[in-house]
Amino acid sequence: GAGVSQSPRYKVAKRGQDVALRCDPISGHVSLFWYQQALGQGPEFLTYFQNEAQLDKSGLPSDRFFAERPEGSVSTLKIQRTQQEDSAVYLCASSLRAGAPGTFGSGTRLTVV
Amino acid sequence: AQSVTQPDIHITVSEGASLELRCNYSYGATPYLFWYVQSPGQGLQLLLKYFSGDTLVQGIKGFEAEFKRSQSSFNLRKPSVHWSDAAEYFCAGGSGGGADGLTFGKGTHLIIQP
Repeated sequence: GAGVSQSPRYKVAKRGQDVALRCDPISGHVSLFWYQQALGQGPEFLTYFQNEAQLDKSGLPSDRFFAERPEGSVSTLKIQRTQQEDSAVYLCASSLRAGAPGTFGSGTRLTVV
Repeated sequence: AQSVTQPDIHITVSEGASLELRCNYSYGATPYLFWYVQSPGQGLQLLLKYFSGDTLVQGIKGFEAEFKRSQSSFNLRKPSVHWSDAAEYFCAGGSGGGADGLTFGKGTHLIIQP
């Protein structure tokens, strides 16, 4: 596609519910990043994929967070047993090659109630 | 630890006036540096980037930034702002290895007065 597409645009989850956030990167982009942006803050790095390989997951805040990119294109960020502190905008970015700045999607706003 | 600091949470500028948004970095080596803009409900749009070479970098929408190693700064400038420039601006840095994510500052909210 023309840009990075994220879905859903908004998600409201009850505390304890599992959620899955989807990212469709730009076609052919090798690198894919997930970021978490809390209200009034800058984005914080969560994890990085190069093709289907998850090369860095050091930013995932807990073992409730899990990301995958099984075929090297679409990626899913899953959050298990959501908690209120998980409320944030989750941004996905992709880039054509390693080291290049990513193109960001519009994000998924997750609200845990 | 690597860090990016944006000292100003809010900046108010009159339309047509010049603008400078501050950014300081702390990295072991020369980082890759970026400026992004974010409008409400939108993702981040890249304004410009510095990898190496010429320390004055030109970007989109009339923005420029200057890398100053001696001051560990990468300030964003625009000679004359337009009302449409009102947004959140983020400075970010990376090690450049390609296998790491960016470290963002907390952002500067730009308000344009008529």
